[in-house]
Amino acid sequence: NAGVTQTPKFRVLKTGQSMTLLCAQDMNHEYMYWYRQDPGMGLRLIHYSVGEGTTAKGEVPDGYNVSRLKKQNFLLGLESAAPSQTSVYFCASSQQSYNEKLFFGSGTQLSVL
Amino acid sequence: AQSVTQLGSHVSVSEGALVLLRCNYSSSVPPYLFWYVQYPNQGLQLLLKYTTGATLVKGINGFEAEFKKSETSFHLTKPSAHMSDAAEYFCAVSRMDSSYKLIFGSGTRLLVRP
Repeated sequence: NAGVTQTPKFRVLKTGQSMTLLCAQDMNHEYMYWYRQDPGMGLRLIHYSVGEGTTAKGEVPDGYNVSRLKKQNFLLGLESAAPSQTSVYFCASSQQSYNEKLFFGSGTQLSVL
Repeated sequence: AQSVTQLGSHVSVSEGALVLLRCNYSSSVPPYLFWYVQYPNQGLQLLLKYTTGATLVKGINGFEAEFKKSETSFHLTKPSAHMSDAAEYFCAVSRMDSSYKLIFGSGTRLLVRP
């Protein structure tokens, strides 16, 4: 069972470059989320989606954009990367809401130089 | 506003000893409470959750947690630590309303000494 798959696993960017992180889930989940994890700060929600075609801002949305054109995919974009966006990014999904069990991907380690 | 405080960024125990990871929360409405575990180079996995009902919640791998409203706590325990328990543990809280927010604590890294 694949579950939640994130690509790429590692990426190094230069300041100002753009990139897209892809998250795919094969569990037919309605809710999908993007988190960033920084040392000593736990996980912080960037953006989330409650269904195909919908997106909403989380706690730290600035500098990121998202799209959910297909139910199984949730894309996170950085238009102009900054060193402050160096982090580990996790995608997660759940059947109905955040109160249900979240299934996490294995993460993307992003460094912005 | 909700918040979660995990006391101790690192906890070290001997194999076979009691594991106690502390979590205190603040919430203006009755909370849902969670513990997640993260093994190296992996995503988080749900250990257990409290929604309503019995305040002592049992999870996977022998872990349990008790919701104490009077102390606003949800500490995680395991009677006997195993080497495979070494990981980072996150407490999280959400609200029993339409809010999307799942607020994570800063995490506690558990080290298990042989």
